[in-house]
Amino acid sequence: EAQVTQNPRYLITVTGKKLTVTCSQNMNHEYMSWYRQDPGLGLRQIYYSMNVEVTDKGDVPEGYKVSRKEKRNFPLILESPSPNQTSLYFCASSPSRGKGEKLFFGSGTQLSVL
Amino acid sequence: GDSVTQMEGPVTLSEEACLTINCTYTATGYPSLFWYVQYPGEGLQLLLKATKADDKGSNKGFEATYRKETTSFHLEKGSVQVSDSAVYFCALSNQAGTALIFGKGTTLSVSS
Repeated sequence: EAQVTQNPRYLITVTGKKLTVTCSQNMNHEYMSWYRQDPGLGLRQIYYSMNVEVTDKGDVPEGYKVSRKEKRNFPLILESPSPNQTSLYFCASSPSRGKGEKLFFGSGTQLSVL
Repeated sequence: GDSVTQMEGPVTLSEEACLTINCTYTATGYPSLFWYVQYPGEGLQLLLKATKADDKGSNKGFEATYRKETTSFHLEKGSVQVSDSAVYFCALSNQAGTALIFGKGTTLSVSS
């Protein structure tokens, strides 16, 4: 089944403890992206990647890192999480960059930073 | 910069009622426009899209028309069902095609 898989689904951590949220897609998509969803704000893009080893900042990149060493994986790294990073995170992918391209979303990771 | 404004929710309807969720946008160039739906506990799914002016996107009884003159992409359905209860997001593609710009979302609740 074609899908975007994120792990974990839920995560509770404490301020300053490094964490990684994994994202993997099995559709051979070139483009991948991370969004965060906050009440009253909709979804905002954190980082995106147009292909292996090519990543760039979105609208809200502060406090996050990403890497794209393989085409299928695009982990989101929080080196020193803070409470304002408590949010619902979504990974998404599409066959390529493009204005009309459909994004395929993962099921989300609910992160709480205490 | 590019932005999307959609009507505030929640929207509460009875089954078989008509639905309209308003969406207007501000963008440079000619973006593609999308409606995504998020069911409880799930990720977003594409509901419909339109890539140029006057295009009509449709799916599962929902439809929306890309209106360049009014910069709008309103979502409509003639008869809603309980299973349509979800959060609906209007979105546009940025000019580079590297991101979707989302509205804040509208929660729809349909009761039988």
